[in-house]
Amino acid sequence: AQSVTQPDIHITVSEGASLELRCNYSYGATPYLFWYVQSPGQGLQLLLKYFSGDTLVQGIKGFEAEFKRSQSSFNLRKPSVHWSDAAEYFCAVSAGNNRKLIWGLGTSLAVNP
Amino acid sequence: DAGVTQSPTHLIKTRGQQVTLRCSPKSGHDTVSWYQQALGQGPQFIFQYYEEEERQRGNFPDRFSGHQFPNYSSELNVNALLLGDSALYLCASSFRTYEQYFGPGTRLTVT
Repeated sequence: AQSVTQPDIHITVSEGASLELRCNYSYGATPYLFWYVQSPGQGLQLLLKYFSGDTLVQGIKGFEAEFKRSQSSFNLRKPSVHWSDAAEYFCAVSAGNNRKLIWGLGTSLAVNP
Repeated sequence: DAGVTQSPTHLIKTRGQQVTLRCSPKSGHDTVSWYQQALGQGPQFIFQYYEEEERQRGNFPDRFSGHQFPNYSSELNVNALLLGDSALYLCASSFRTYEQYFGPGTRLTVT
């Protein structure tokens, strides 16, 4: 069965510092991979996605992610974090032809001024 | 272009009651998926509707049912509410792609 693991439950970084959020997935073939962000009490906003092709994908708000097949990972990065980036970040995978999303438990990001 | 909309925003129900949540997909989208997100957890897939039929279902009991209308809008119904049904219910829409757009959610509290 497909699964998604986000090893870090909570991360705190200083404003201006770089950020990397980890995501590992379990699936027999290459899945479709997503990162979403959720601000308190809000719905989910798509940051970026990987379907195929270039393994480094760019998203909104200055985020990027790299797909590494050998490590079954899809880590999210940002070179310089802003206070407004504080939120919950979810990694998700879609497999098969039914578009069902399977989610990690999320990583809560806090940003110190 | 309106995104995905959901109503109501918040809802308080008593254990044993029934509830209906509504979702209008993003313009041009024909597929609607519903997710349950408990506090501090990731979303859990409930079911997906396409062409007015349930296409796939997650591990949720039959108390959870849904419907999709010809205009692609959708309803989620939950019968015999339990305290454990308290959660944020998210609707997502898509069109011929794996990219899903989410609404703001309905916060359901069961007392």
